[in-house]
Amino acid sequence: EIVLTQSPGTLSLSPGESATISCRASQNVVRKSLAWYQQKPGQAPRLLIYGPSSRATGIPDRFSGSGSATDFTLTISRLEPEDLAVYYCQQYGSSPYTFGQGTKLEIK
Amino acid sequence: QVQLVESGGGVVQPGGSLRLSCEASGFTFRIHGMHWVRQAPGRGLDWVAFIRHDSNSKDYADSVKGRCTIFRDNSKNTLYLQMNSLRPDDTAIYYCARKWGNPGPFDLWGQGTMVTVSS
Repeated sequence: EIVLTQSPGTLSLSPGESATISCRASQNVVRKSLAWYQQKPGQAPRLLIYGPSSRATGIPDRFSGSGSATDFTLTISRLEPEDLAVYYCQQYGSSPYTFGQGTKLEIK
Repeated sequence: QVQLVESGGGVVQPGGSLRLSCEASGFTFRIHGMHWVRQAPGRGLDWVAFIRHDSNSKDYADSVKGRCTIFRDNSKNTLYLQMNSLRPDDTAIYYCARKWGNPGPFDLWGQGTMVTVSS
């Protein structure tokens, strides 16, 4: 099983700043199959990034993903109040399809 | 409109059973693999089960293997999760999610249905 470890656990930033979330895998993620999801309070998760640098449909270019093998990053630039959410990385290339523990983004 | 709508959640006693449903609309359900993912209260996301578009392959998390069965009816555009021998740690919101591509991220999620296992 591939274990994904996200850091930091919580991020508190002001509007206009940039957020960087790290996701480290316990072994190589196959076929670039790393995704990022956003879950706003009381809502279902939403796909942001996959493959690991392609944006899903309708996702603004403020959201970007990068990385390979075992180290991946989600960057959110020009933070807006609506970005308040928990962000999860996930590897979907090999079963079980594991998620990171989540990073809570707070907007000051 | 493109959506997934779960139903069937509720309160059940330990050892009981429940069948969850996920009705798809607005897209060609029969060509997509489908997943169930759950989220315990205040916790993160846990993948539960997967079924291929043609039902020829199924896969389960160790935590539910032998107690849960995923199946689908493509004629009804509906995905199911039959859960037996339920335990308190099965308490969670259960989401269905669509697989997109191969390998495929989970590109469409339902709103979830709550399952509470308690005496």
